[in-house]
Amino acid sequence: GAVVSQHPSWVICKSGTSVKIECRSLDFQATTMFWYRQFPKQSLMLMATSNEGSKATYEQGVEKDKFLINHASLTLSTLTVTSAHPEDSSFYICSAPYALLGYGYTFGSGTRLTVV
Amino acid sequence: AQTVTQSQPEMSVQEAETVTLSCTYDTSENNYYLFWYKQPPSRQMILVIRQEAYKQQNATENRFSVNFQKAAKSFSLKISDSQLGDTAMYFCAFTTQGGSEKLVFGKGTKLTVNP
Repeated sequence: GAVVSQHPSWVICKSGTSVKIECRSLDFQATTMFWYRQFPKQSLMLMATSNEGSKATYEQGVEKDKFLINHASLTLSTLTVTSAHPEDSSFYICSAPYALLGYGYTFGSGTRLTVV
Repeated sequence: AQTVTQSQPEMSVQEAETVTLSCTYDTSENNYYLFWYKQPPSRQMILVIRQEAYKQQNATENRFSVNFQKAAKSFSLKISDSQLGDTAMYFCAFTTQGGSEKLVFGKGTKLTVNP
């Protein structure tokens, strides 16, 4: 139980285009979704927190106009990287809290974005 | 602000031996949750073990166990009978209680299990 499906697993896009990453909770309702960015050999850096039906909360230093987050339903949250540039190339991971035999967090499998 | 510190960037262990990964944290909260996550080369985050701060008994999951010292704010992970598949990045993480609180991660420890 508590599975988050993240797509795509990898994507290559041209500089200036936009890319959308989807995270779907398959067997539970994800009222909250956390979006992380991870650079090679580093820890996860929280970018923003989305809550169903309301605006996302962005961490300091994260450009909200570049990283658009939508959480329109209890099972789907999306991250759109707008006008992507090579420096946006990274590994993006979503995560949702859940309560199943205790309290925890489940993670999507991640999306490797390469901007060329 | 809550912080999580993992002081061992890299560690290695021989197959079948035991290794301990250290983690300390800082918080003024009394109720919170602690986690160890494993990130293998596939980069999928996998929950290894979790501990509720109000529980005095140390959590155990098969070969994985923790030494939770609340007063010292320490949460180390012991891996017994290490296996090659244990090779991964290990992240210690902390959150206060509540359904929408974010996880605070340490910088991670890269563990290599040698044959």
